[in-house]
Amino acid sequence: DVKVTQSSRYLVKRTGEKVFLECVQDMDHENMFWYRQDPGLGLRLIYFSYDVKMKEKGDIPEGYSVSREKKERFSLILESASTNQTSMYLCASSLTRQPAEEQYFGPGTRLTVT
Amino acid sequence: LAKTTQPISMDSYEGQEVNITCSHNNIATNDYITWYQQFPSQGPRFIIQGYKTKVTNEVASLFIPADRKSSTLSLPRVSLSDTAVYYCLVGDQGTGGFKTIFGAGTRLFVKA
Repeated sequence: DVKVTQSSRYLVKRTGEKVFLECVQDMDHENMFWYRQDPGLGLRLIYFSYDVKMKEKGDIPEGYSVSREKKERFSLILESASTNQTSMYLCASSLTRQPAEEQYFGPGTRLTVT
Repeated sequence: LAKTTQPISMDSYEGQEVNITCSHNNIATNDYITWYQQFPSQGPRFIIQGYKTKVTNEVASLFIPADRKSSTLSLPRVSLSDTAVYYCLVGDQGTGGFKTIFGAGTRLFVKA
């Protein structure tokens, strides 16, 4: 089974802090994704990566950056956390670059910025 | 970009068949339609995918009419454990890469 793990289930940070969310997948998948999920808005794509050191902006990249130095690891960075970034963050991976390829999701990180 | 529209919520009773319809009027020729299920405190998981006509697996069926502007997820004989949010997703090949559009989903509540 594909396993996608995220570094924390719950995280509380202060406004202005730099925040790192880590995601690791163990199935040699090419693509990795970061989403945020807010009530009534569903999942919104922040960034995705289809290869090491490659990244593409999603729908809501403002205030975020990403890093993919190794194929299995995709990090989401909040350079200066703000209260409007309080959300559930979900990482996912998929095998190939096909748009319809099944995505495997991690359990999520619930981030609270105070 | 192909966006989707689904009902916000649905209620059902155990043992009933549930049909959730998704509209995707500007679906592109190469797009596939995929459905995901999400339980509380978990990430979404893949249920079923199709391109046209009907697809069936051990969990659900997916009906897609000829014009592909909508699709219907059918869950046979639901149980309490099918209470979840269901997302309709249309694979999209955007300029310079690809993007996956998740809508707000349909919250299904199954009652005893």
